[in-house]
Amino acid sequence: EPEVTQTPSHQVTQMGQEVILRCVPISNHLYFYWYRQILGQKVEFLVSFYNNEISEKSEIFDDQFSVERPDGSNFTLKIRSTKLEDSAMYFCASTTGFTDTQYFGPGTRLTVL
Amino acid sequence: AQSVTQLDSQVPVFEEAPVELRCNYSSSVSVYLFWYVQYPNQGLQLLLKYLSGSTLVESINGFEAEFNKSQTSFHLRKPSVHISDTAEYFCAVTPLQGSARQLTFGSGTQLTVLP
Repeated sequence: EPEVTQTPSHQVTQMGQEVILRCVPISNHLYFYWYRQILGQKVEFLVSFYNNEISEKSEIFDDQFSVERPDGSNFTLKIRSTKLEDSAMYFCASTTGFTDTQYFGPGTRLTVL
Repeated sequence: AQSVTQLDSQVPVFEEAPVELRCNYSSSVSVYLFWYVQYPNQGLQLLLKYLSGSTLVESINGFEAEFNKSQTSFHLRKPSVHISDTAEYFCAVTPLQGSARQLTFGSGTQLTVLP
């Protein structure tokens, strides 16, 4: 069964450093998403991406964040200058856009020191 | 905008007992509804969903949820739980209209099944 994959599973970085989180969505999916879950809190929407551009973004998704689909298979989330409060589990999701079921990857745990 | 409220943050229950996890939502537009499950140290897995049609939907592992439009609820039930059902359960909604279809999640309910 096809699945969404994410790498790395755990990323530790120093405050102020740039990180790139990678996702490989399901191959025939058209809509891509990033969510995050700070420890003990609810899962929050960050951004959606369709047709090579951002469809919607939340207030969390400020200028420090960017997304890219560089090669037609990977979908990346970049945080330019990490802050302590960026420590969270980041989930990638994808959907065909027709069934409206979003399939989630296993997540990347980002720890900012 | 949508919001989802899961009234119980923790639900302990003995094995083979029934359980209900409550979910209420608020939205100015019609929505699709979902339950996702998160096992320890894993990602989110779709448990079941309501898109249209019968208001009672079922999962392959014995869970069911009923969409009640008048009460804006989508409670999750299982008549007899197993130890393996221990996990965090998230209710989520997405609007029918719109291109982005972002999910709005509740705060989650930790179901702990006791032997």
